[in-house]
Amino acid sequence: DVKVTQSSRYLVKRTGEKVFLECVQDMDHENMFWYRQDPGLGLRLIYFSYDVKMKEKGDIPEGYSVSREKKERFSLILESASTNQTSMYLCASKASGRYEQYFGPGTRLTVT
Amino acid sequence: QQQVKQSPQSLIVQKGGISIINCAYENTAFDYFPWYQQFPGKGPALLIAIRPDVSEKKEGRFTISFNKSAKQFSLHIMDSQPGDSATYFCAASKGTGGGNKLTFGTGTQLKVEL
Repeated sequence: DVKVTQSSRYLVKRTGEKVFLECVQDMDHENMFWYRQDPGLGLRLIYFSYDVKMKEKGDIPEGYSVSREKKERFSLILESASTNQTSMYLCASKASGRYEQYFGPGTRLTVT
Repeated sequence: QQQVKQSPQSLIVQKGGISIINCAYENTAFDYFPWYQQFPGKGPALLIAIRPDVSEKKEGRFTISFNKSAKQFSLHIMDSQPGDSATYFCAASKGTGGGNKLTFGTGTQLKVEL
């Protein structure tokens, strides 16, 4: 089974702090994704990566950056957290040549 | 621009009944249509998916019906059980390339009552 893990289930940060969310997958997938989930808005893509050190902007990249130094690990960075970044953050991975995306358990981030 | 529209936003069904959730898409290039199930505090889990070359796919109590000409697809949950109470998301994507991304609907909260 594909396993996608995220470093924290719950996180509380203050406005202006730098925040790191980490995601690790164990299936050697080439592609990894970061989404945020908000009530009534569904899941929206922030960034994705199709290879080590490669990244592409998703639909809502503003205020975020990412890092992929190793194939199994994809980090989401909030350079200066703001209250409107309070959300559930979900990481997913996918093998090249396949359609299916597999999600981690999510990190609920609260910025106060 | 929301490319995948999902309805209803919430649904209450009696145990043993049929739950039906609908989605409509705009981009005719989409070629993969999955449904995800999400329980509170968990990440979405892939439930069932369909490609546009078939009109229906069934896995146990879960069925996807797909209407290519109408650009609509729906999830039917037969004999709904309280354990099916969750949020369901439809999604769509095109291709299997590295950059292909899922476009999600806004979700349906299903509650199955005894």
